[in-house]
Amino acid sequence: GDSVTQMEGPVTLSEEAFLTINCTYTATGYPSLFWYVQYPGEGLQLLLKATKADDKGSNKGFEATYRKETTSFHLEKGSVQVSDSAVYFCALSVRAAGNKLTFGGGTRVLVKP
Amino acid sequence: EAQVTQNPRYLITVTGKKLTVTCSQNMNHEYMSWYRQDPGLGLRQIYYSMNVEVTDKGDVPEGYKVSRKEKRNFPLILESPSPNQTSLYFCASSLLTGANTGELFFGEGSRLTVL
Repeated sequence: GDSVTQMEGPVTLSEEAFLTINCTYTATGYPSLFWYVQYPGEGLQLLLKATKADDKGSNKGFEATYRKETTSFHLEKGSVQVSDSAVYFCALSVRAAGNKLTFGGGTRVLVKP
Repeated sequence: EAQVTQNPRYLITVTGKKLTVTCSQNMNHEYMSWYRQDPGLGLRQIYYSMNVEVTDKGDVPEGYKVSRKEKRNFPLILESPSPNQTSLYFCASSLLTGANTGELFFGEGSRLTVL
């Protein structure tokens, strides 16, 4: 079946540091890939997405590139802020499975001033 | 404001006492789904619905029921809750067609504790 594996946290960084969260996937079809973010006490929000190989999703300074050859979708940000402290989820969706999202386990990121 | 609204946000109950968590969306989305979130496991799908009167099991449906009598509402029913259903529950909705297919809008979550 479909699955998503992402690095375990927590990841603790200082403000302005570079952030990378690794995400790899296995899928039976040709998936769309997503990063969702969950701020404390809130539901998940879509951060960015990519629907085909070599696409780069970007939003709020975050980027991720759909790498079909390595089945990866790593999330990066060049200079994090305290407000980026959250839990980040990598997810995939395969058209044949309707709108079902398969999620990774989540990575908690804590940015210290 | 476009939103998915869940109630209650917090609930403590006892084993065997039936409860319902409501979910309502105001975006005219066809697709609605329930997930549970547990530490280290991410979110796992419980049930989903592609449209009114159309529901289907997700990955972890045991112990849950749902109904979709109206497009905007998708309640989650626990007929006889057990402690292993203690979790954080999220309702989500989306369109089924168009460029945004797969983009889910989530409610704020309902934290359920079963004693």
